Amino acid sequence: GQNIDQPTEMTATEGAIVQINCTYQTSGFNGLFWYQQHAGEAPTFLSYNVLDGLEEKGRFSSFLSRSKGYSYLLLKELQMKDSASYLCASEGDSNYQLIWGAGTKLIIKP
Amino acid sequence: DAGVTQSPTHLIKTRGQQVTLRCSPKSGHDTVSWYQQALGQGPQFIFQYYEEEERQRGNFPDRFSGHQFPNYSSELNVNALLLGDSALYLCASSSVSRDYGYTFGSGTRLTVV
Repeated sequence: GQNIDQPTEMTATEGAIVQINCTYQTSGFNGLFWYQQHAGEAPTFLSYNVLDGLEEKGRFSSFLSRSKGYSYLLLKELQMKDSASYLCASEGDSNYQLIWGAGTKLIIKP
Repeated sequence: DAGVTQSPTHLIKTRGQQVTLRCSPKSGHDTVSWYQQALGQGPQFIFQYYEEEERQRGNFPDRFSGHQFPNYSSELNVNALLLGDSALYLCASSSVSRDYGYTFGSGTRLTVV
């Protein structure tokens, strides 16, 4: 079967660092996406990993380990506007659809 | 450069009715995917259109159908609406290179009463 797991909710403090983990089991693998979604809005693309290792984009970094079926999103210097849901999605062997986790709701406190 | 545009933004329909949702992809994108997102859940893949053909379909009944036009825009049709069809319907466009991943529209919030 295909499954993506991520924590339901996390809380962090403004200015701190938070790591959101994602484990996946999909039929085949063609890449791992991270999206940010504010309540009532569309998901916004954050990162795409297809090779093992760390991809850094400003305050956001994403890591992938294909052998472990594991990824994480690292957010640094947290700002209040980072309060949102963060969704992990895997592109399986069909290459045409994304399999999504339920999302991690990140709450930032002052 | 316009991103993905969807219409309408919100829609209220009665059980048993039919609905058509529309999507215009981002400039340069030729592939359109449709997703259904229930509250508090991740999106669920409905189907994807490329070159005016349905290329892949998720686990949705035949009441859900679609179409892609020569200008790459797409429609999602849902017949015989059920209360459970109430959700946010997202359209995502992409291209072969996928340099920017899938670009999502703002979605259509469908409420079935």
